[in-house]
Amino acid sequence: DVKVTQSSRYLVKRTGEKVFLECVQDMDHENMFWYRQDPGLGLRLIYFSYDVKMKEKGDIPEGYSVSREKKERFSLILESASTNQTSMYLCASSFAGGAAYTEAFFGQGTRLTVV
Amino acid sequence: LAKTTQPISMDSYEGQEVNITCSHNNIATNDYITWYQQFPSQGPRFIIQGYKTKVTNEVASLFIPADRKSSTLSLPRVSLSDTAVYYCLVGGNNAGNMLTFGGGTRLMVKP
Repeated sequence: DVKVTQSSRYLVKRTGEKVFLECVQDMDHENMFWYRQDPGLGLRLIYFSYDVKMKEKGDIPEGYSVSREKKERFSLILESASTNQTSMYLCASSFAGGAAYTEAFFGQGTRLTVV
Repeated sequence: LAKTTQPISMDSYEGQEVNITCSHNNIATNDYITWYQQFPSQGPRFIIQGYKTKVTNEVASLFIPADRKSSTLSLPRVSLSDTAVYYCLVGGNNAGNMLTFGGGTRLMVKP
C-alpha cells in the first residue's frame, strides 16, 4: 500500500516562528506536491517538485519555501509564520509520466494553527 | 493542466445513482481524465481515471464521449458514506506538469 506520511497531524505555532512540515513517501515517486486547503477556497498548490533539488512554484508560493534533498522527502518551510497561514496542509506524490502522473497519493494532512 | 468546470454542489438520496459531469473543453490529445474523492479532514483519494469511452471499477464508472470535452463520474446506488467532495482533473504525461485542483463538487447524500 502506498504511503504518504506527514510528520504531524496537528501543530500550533507562534507568529514569527520558522515552521517545518515534513512529508515522506515510500513509493519512489518522482513528483511531490504541497497544498493548502481552506474553507471555500479548495486545494491550492503551493510548491511542486519533480526531482531531487528541483522545485516549481505553484499558485500561492509567497511566504513558503521547500526543500527536497532526498527523493522520498519533501519539506515545506514557513520562514516566519503568520496567522493567515493557519490552514490544513496536504502533501501528495505521484509518478512522473503517463496516466500515473495524475494518480496522486495524499497524506493525512497537517492542521496548522498560528497564534 | 486543462481547466475544468463542474457543479459546485449536488444533493441525492441513498440508493440513487449520481452522475457528476465535468467540462474540459481544451483537453489535449495526451491528457487523461482523473477523479478524486475527499472526505472532511482527509486528503483527496484517487477513485478513477480514463482516456476515452467508459471505465468501470469497484467504486465508480467514468463515461467519456468521443470528443472528450466532458466526462461524467457515475456513482451507483450511493450511500450516506459517499457524501464528499469530488474533483475532476485533466492532465497529460508531460513530466513536470503541476497537479492543480479545481473547486470540486460537494455531494450530499441524504437518508
